[in-house]
Amino acid sequence: KNQVEQSPQSLIILEGKNCTLQCNYTVSPFSNLRWYKQDTGRGPVSLTIMTFSENTKSNGRYTATLDADTKQSSLHITASQLSDSASYICVVTGRNAGNMLTFGGGTRLMVKP
Amino acid sequence: SQTIHQWPATLVQPVGSPLSLECTVEGTSNPNLYWYRQAAGRGLQLLFYSVGIGQISSEVPQNLSASRPQDRQFILSSKKLLLSDSGFYLCAWSRTSGSNEQFFGPGTRLTVL
Repeated sequence: KNQVEQSPQSLIILEGKNCTLQCNYTVSPFSNLRWYKQDTGRGPVSLTIMTFSENTKSNGRYTATLDADTKQSSLHITASQLSDSASYICVVTGRNAGNMLTFGGGTRLMVKP
Repeated sequence: SQTIHQWPATLVQPVGSPLSLECTVEGTSNPNLYWYRQAAGRGLQLLFYSVGIGQISSEVPQNLSASRPQDRQFILSSKKLLLSDSGFYLCAWSRTSGSNEQFFGPGTRLTVL
């Protein structure tokens, strides 16, 4: 069964600090992995996408890593800002019929001043 | 550019009442369309997806139904709402070829009392 597990479920950090969110998946065969940011009461917005051959990808203060061998990904946020407070969702697409997505449960991040 | 709209933004309905949520996409043609439900603090659950007018696939058995009367219109319905139908409903679209990124609408918060 395809699964995506994220940790921690929730995280509180002080403004300016760094943090790392984890994503483990069992989706196979693998096509790509995306990290989405979802502000409270809004739809998710894509931050990064990584394919099998990519190890690291950055988008501003967000850096995603992917280890396709161990089926793990991380999202590192540098110099956090209050606006980073949101849920971060790891989504894996399999290379199968329909290319359906498997969603992680998300990590709820709160950045405090 | 493409935009996706959902309405209403919030809805409070009594148990047993009907439901109709609407989603429309602008700026693209023949998109794949999706309905998701997100329970409080939980991940996204795919409810329905559509690859064309009148073509609906259901992912989970439930009290809801979906229809696609026009190319860029996707409707989520119920004849009689249950308490368990409460949640945050998200519509999304993706291209039928190329990138499989899904673009999400702003969501509808449904509370069934």
